[in-house]
Amino acid sequence: EAQVTQNPRYLITVTGKKLTVTCSQNMNHEYMSWYRQDPGLGLRQIYYSMNVEVTDKGDVPEGYKVSRKEKRNFPLILESPSPNQTSLYFCASSLSQGDTEAFFGQGTRLTVV
Amino acid sequence: AQSVTQLGSHVSVSEGALVLLRCNYSSSVPPYLFWYVQYPNQGLQLLLKYTSAATLVKGINGFEAEFKKSETSFHLTKPSAHMSDAAEYFCAVISYIFNKFFFGSGTKLNVKP
Repeated sequence: EAQVTQNPRYLITVTGKKLTVTCSQNMNHEYMSWYRQDPGLGLRQIYYSMNVEVTDKGDVPEGYKVSRKEKRNFPLILESPSPNQTSLYFCASSLSQGDTEAFFGQGTRLTVV
Repeated sequence: AQSVTQLGSHVSVSEGALVLLRCNYSSSVPPYLFWYVQYPNQGLQLLLKYTSAATLVKGINGFEAEFKKSETSFHLTKPSAHMSDAAEYFCAVISYIFNKFFFGSGTKLNVKP
């Protein structure tokens, strides 16, 4: 089954404790991205990657890092989480740049206390 | 620049009534437009998309949307609401260059018995 898998689904952590949210897709997609969803703001892009070793900032990249060492995985790293990063996070992938079909993961609900 | 505006953060209809969720877009190039649905504790699922073919687009679960260039609108409709339609709906436009989705702030649909 074609899917985008995020882990964990739920995470509660403390301020300053580094964490990683994993994202993996099994569709051989080149393009992957991370979004955060906040009430009343819709989804905003954090980072995206057009291919292996190629990443760039989205609209709200501050406080986040990503890496793309292999095509299927695109982890989101919070080096020093803060309470304002409490949010619902989605990973998405698509076949290529400009492709109109994006597949979304189930989401990761992060709470930073 | 591209953006979407969804009018009404909450819409409530009775079961069997018409569903109308409004979306207006802004785009400097011919847009690709999407409606996604998010059920509670789920990721985003594509309902339908407009990619410059037919202006009336039919999607899953009986939903459809009409692209109206003169009104810069892409409203989502369903003739008869079902209880299972209760969810949050997001309108989105895509940037060709970066495969970046610009999402609206979302509309929560409540269906009353």
